[in-house]
Amino acid sequence: EIVLTQSPGTLSLSPGERATLSCRASQSITNRYLAWYQQKPGQAPRLLIHGASSRATGTPDRFSGSGSGADFTLTISRLEPEDFAVYYCQHYGSLITFGPGTKVDIK
Amino acid sequence: QLQLQESGPGLVKPSETLSLSCTVSGDSISTSNYYWGWIRQPPGKGLDWIGYIFYSGSTYYNPSLKSRVTISADTSKNQFSLKLASVTAADTALYYCAGSWGDGAFDIWGRGALVTVSS
Repeated sequence: EIVLTQSPGTLSLSPGERATLSCRASQSITNRYLAWYQQKPGQAPRLLIHGASSRATGTPDRFSGSGSGADFTLTISRLEPEDFAVYYCQHYGSLITFGPGTKVDIK
Repeated sequence: QLQLQESGPGLVKPSETLSLSCTVSGDSISTSNYYWGWIRQPPGKGLDWIGYIFYSGSTYYNPSLKSRVTISADTSKNQFSLKLASVTAADTALYYCAGSWGDGAFDIWGRGALVTVSS
């Protein structure tokens, strides 16, 4: 079973700044089966990125995913007010695991 | 447009079985390559994958819950269901059903159903 670690736990930034979120796996992820989700209070998670770097339908292009092997990154190029939320990475395949999340809050 | 809706009791007694259903509208649950999953979120905590059923009927479960979980599908009702046996307070959570076409990255989610385990 692959264990995902996300860092930092909380990221305090201002609107307009760049956000860099990390997701590290306990072993190499094959086929780049790594997704990123955004969750706002009181809402279900929303898929942002799948296949490590492919934007899901409706994901703004300020969101980008990168990485391979065991190290992956979600970058938000310029934070908009609606981007302050919790972000989870997910490994998928036969078994699925989620990381513990990174909260992006307003500085 | 594909939509999912969870339903079931909001309160379950300890040691009993939690049962939830997810009604799918907008497509058939038998459509090729769909994954239909259950994910839960304890209050104030992160996401915990429970399991999924593939369109073919194959099931995959979280190893930590496998002994207590059953996911099944009813194609006549276009629903899939979750049963979690021998529940404790630690199973109190918001339970989401979700769907994925092709790979297990869930691009469609229900609104969630809060289940509390208490006597």
